[in-house]
Amino acid sequence: GAGVSQSPSNKVTEKGKDVELRCDPISGHTALYWYRQSLGQGLEFLIYFQGNSAPDKSGLPSDRFSAERTGGSVSTLTIQRTQQEDSAVYLCASSLVQGGPQHFGDGTRLSIL
Amino acid sequence: KNEVEQSPQNLTAQEGEFITINCSYSVGISALHWLQQHPGGGIVSLFMLSSGKKKHGRLIATINIQEKHSSLHITASHPRDSAVYICAVPLMPSGQFYFGTGTSLTVIP
Repeated sequence: GAGVSQSPSNKVTEKGKDVELRCDPISGHTALYWYRQSLGQGLEFLIYFQGNSAPDKSGLPSDRFSAERTGGSVSTLTIQRTQQEDSAVYLCASSLVQGGPQHFGDGTRLSIL
Repeated sequence: KNEVEQSPQNLTAQEGEFITINCSYSVGISALHWLQQHPGGGIVSLFMLSSGKKKHGRLIATINIQEKHSSLHITASHPRDSAVYICAVPLMPSGQFYFGTGTSLTVIP
């Protein structure tokens, strides 16, 4: 597709389960970003990849969160032992170069019961 | 302390009015981004600018690097402009983005 694709679009899971969120950036985009938006709140930066490398992982909320990117393309955000406060919309964006205009996916709405 | 401050937080305007949203930041940046989040949640990048002014249709963005301030203007506002407008600055080399809290705009017919 032409845009950033995220899957699943919705995920409902029980507290304590692990979840994996996927992002397919626009082909050729070297920069990839993960954000979180809790209900009624602003955007929160989680992590950025340049190619397959993440220069700074300090934005991840806790050590239950991890992310990787392979082949300079697809990225996965994994949340282990989910908690109710993890409920949010997780957004992925990509840009051709670092700091450039970003193209956002539609997000994954994660609900932890 | 927020690295990026936006004002106003909420704005209601009559159709046709000229609208200004302001953004001030405290970190050194190479560029500033304006984003639009539609009521359905989708986010669109409106502008990326590092100096001067950019115009796209009825939208105009300006930035003053020395004063660390940017404005987003909407001329001849229309109800379809109703959205949340977000100012964002990237911090290099980490790639981390700082976001303003957003300005919720409602344009009434």
